[in-house]
Order: sequence, then C-alpha cells, then structure tokens
Amino acid sequence: GNSVTQMEGPVTLSEEAFLTINCTYTATGYPSLFWYVQYPGEGLQLLLKATKADDKGSNKGFEATYRKETTSFHLEKGSVQVSDSAVYFCALSDQSNTGKLIFGQGTTLQVKP
Amino acid sequence: ETGVTQTPRHLVMGMTNKKSLKCEQHLGHNAMYWYKQSAKKPLELMFVYSLEERVENNSVPSRFSPECPNSSHLFLHLHTLQPEDSALYLCASSQGRSNTDTQYFGPGTRLTVL
Repeated sequence: GNSVTQMEGPVTLSEEAFLTINCTYTATGYPSLFWYVQYPGEGLQLLLKATKADDKGSNKGFEATYRKETTSFHLEKGSVQVSDSAVYFCALSDQSNTGKLIFGQGTTLQVKP
Repeated sequence: ETGVTQTPRHLVMGMTNKKSLKCEQHLGHNAMYWYKQSAKKPLELMFVYSLEERVENNSVPSRFSPECPNSSHLFLHLHTLQPEDSALYLCASSQGRSNTDTQYFGPGTRLTVL
C-alpha cells in the first residue's frame, strides 16, 4: 500500500543554518505530494505542494522537488529562523481521488538562537 | 470567522460520557474530513464526507459516529470511549477530493478520556 517515510527527529539547528528534512514515499502511479507544518497548539497548515514529477513547490523560503526516480520529496530551507520551530509532515494523495492523505510520522524541528 | 474552526478546543470526558466535537468550514468547500493525531503515530484518516455523503470510513470503531448535516458543518459524536482514544482530533476541508486539492485543517480538539 501507499506510505510515506520521514527522517526521525527531533532536528535541532542554530538560527541561519541549512535545513533538510528527508521524505520518501511508496505509491503507484503519480501521487501529489505535500508538506504541512504544525506550530505548537495549532492545526496543520499547508507549506507547499507538488502535483507532478520534477515540480518544485516553494513557500516562505522552503522548497521541495518531486523526484519520481528516487521517490522523494525532501524539504529544504537555506537559512532557518527560530520561528520555523514546528513539526513538519510529509504527505501524499494518490490518484484514486478519494481525498485520502497519507502522512509521514512528522519531524520536529527546533531552531535555537 | 475564516478557514476551519473547531469546538471545543479541549475536552475531558469519562468513559461513560457522551460528547460531540464540532467543525465548521467557511471556505465553501465540498469535502470534509476527520483525522486522529495520537502521540508517536502518523495522522490517521477517520472519515471523509463529500457533499454531505459519507464516502470513507477508515475502519473506525462504532463508538465514533460522524454527522454532516450540510456542507459547512461536521460533527463527531463520541460515546463509551476508551483511554486510548485520547488524542488530538483534527477536522479538514477541501474544495474536492482530487489528489491535487489542498486540505485545510482546523486547530483541533484535544480529547482526554479518563
């Protein structure tokens, strides 16, 4: 079945460091891929998405490229801020068009000043 | 109010109580969802409604009973819950159920079952 695997956290970085959070997936066909962010005490917010191979999603300095050949959708940011501290979720939606999102386990990011 | 709202934000209940969670979306969307977020587990889809019709029940125990009276409102009725049902319950909505549609989430209800 479909699945999403994220790197284990927590990830602790200093402010202005480079961030990579790995995400790989298993799915048939061409799923859409998403990164959501959850700040403390809040629900999930869409950070970025990509709907076809080689698409790059970007938002707020974060980027991720849909790599079909490596079934990956790694999240990157060149310079993190303390305000980026949150839990990041990678997710996929397959081509069955049921609305079903499959989430990874989430990666906690802590950015220290 | 904008986006997706959920009430209450926190709920403590005993195993014999009956309570309901409410979700309202102000986005004009046609699909609504309930998810369960437990500690150390991925988010689990519980139910999907499309135009007020339930289209997915992801093997959820009958002690959870959803209701969708119209396309803007979604309820989750709870009865005789177990302590392991303690979790954050998230509601979401989307324009449609295509795999390119973005789901917008509410802030969640933190449920504690004693």
